Amino acid sequence: GESVGLHLPTLSVQEGDNSIINCAYSNSASDYFIWYKQESGKGPQFIIDIRSNMDKRQGQRVTVLLNKTVKHLSLQIAATQPGDSAVYFCAEGGFRLGTGANNLFFGTGTRLTVIP
Amino acid sequence: DVKVTQSSRYLVKRTGEKVFLECVQDMDHENMFWYRQDPGLGLRLIYFSYDVKMKEKGDIPEGYSVSREKKERFSLILESASTNQTSMYLCASIGTPASTIYFGEGSWLTVV
Repeated sequence: GESVGLHLPTLSVQEGDNSIINCAYSNSASDYFIWYKQESGKGPQFIIDIRSNMDKRQGQRVTVLLNKTVKHLSLQIAATQPGDSAVYFCAEGGFRLGTGANNLFFGTGTRLTVIP
Repeated sequence: DVKVTQSSRYLVKRTGEKVFLECVQDMDHENMFWYRQDPGLGLRLIYFSYDVKMKEKGDIPEGYSVSREKKERFSLILESASTNQTSMYLCASIGTPASTIYFGEGSWLTVV
């Protein structure tokens, strides 16, 4: 299944299928991007990140793809499991001008539901 | 291995009360953040701090203030709580140069 990210906040997939969650970001100067997973009642947990000088990065069962031309980020989850059910946030990051401080800007999230 | 700790998980306060939300990180990070999370609105930045005693307004600072007296501790203060501040508050920290941001478990505040 595929989500168009912020415009389709819910994604349902069958257990064992691959999931693709999409995200559009706005700031072409952002230099790193992160995906977070948030389970009900918990804080966001880091999944995977990617720097702007890369277009693909793989983790355990997850892959993040970055297309800077169209400012698009995606998270692919292989062999989706019931434990993957959660809300997934993308975030773009960079320095706030004038402070040198890191900051992150988050999307509203996509809820992934895995159907057993 | 807890890295960012928010001392209060669930609070119920009355309108007009002063509320303190405490956050402590053990990673010696320079940058700390307070977000609030509301359904359909994602995470919105309230305030952040890039050094001790330094603070910057985020996107929704109205009705809030912060304190960073020690590097490991960043406090969010609601001077006079209002019902529209009922929300889940998340503290986070990140090192310099940019690295993974770590979140606390969240503080659920209800203002009645």
